[in-house]
Amino acid sequence: GAVVSQHPSWVICKSGTSVKIECRSLDFQATTMFWYRQFPKQSLMLMATSNEGSKATYEQGVEKDKFLINHASLTLSTLTVTSAHPEDSSFYICSASVLGGPLRETQYFGPGTRLLVL
Amino acid sequence: AQKITQTQPGMFVQEKEAVTLDCTYDTSDQSYGLFWYKQPSSGEMIFLIYQGSYDEQNATEGRYSLNFQKARKSANLVISASQLGDSAMYFCAMRDTGSGSARQLTFGSGTQLTVLP
Repeated sequence: GAVVSQHPSWVICKSGTSVKIECRSLDFQATTMFWYRQFPKQSLMLMATSNEGSKATYEQGVEKDKFLINHASLTLSTLTVTSAHPEDSSFYICSASVLGGPLRETQYFGPGTRLLVL
Repeated sequence: AQKITQTQPGMFVQEKEAVTLDCTYDTSDQSYGLFWYKQPSSGEMIFLIYQGSYDEQNATEGRYSLNFQKARKSANLVISASQLGDSAMYFCAMRDTGSGSARQLTFGSGTQLTVLP
């Protein structure tokens, strides 16, 4: 149980285009999903918290107009990188929470999406 | 603010031996949760083990155990009988009930474990 999928796993795009990444919880409903960014050899950096049916909460320094997050259902959240530039090239990974009590809430992660902007 | 420290950027262990990956944390909360994740080269983050601050016993999950020393604020991961497939990056993470989003995880910088044949 607690499987999270992400699509696509790899994307290469031209500078200026927009890229949409999907995150799905396959066997559970997730009221909250999280989007992270990870550079090589570094830890995960939380970009935003996505709640079903409401606006995402962005971390300081993350441009909400550039990284559009939509959480339309309990099993799907999308991250759209708008007008992508080479500096947006990174590994983007989502997670979905499974409740088990206030602190037993465990985040299960998708396999990640590697974005390369040319 | 919470903080997670992993002081070992890289570790080597011989196959079938046990290895301990260090993690210390800093929080002013009395109630918090500690997690360990494994990230192989494929990139996926795999949940390994959880320890609650009020759990009286150290958590264990198969070959993984968590050496929780609350007074020292440490939550070291012990992997017994290492296997070649254990080679990966390991992240320690914490959630507490501090102000702001209590559902966020704070991650350490990670430890790259290499298991030698």
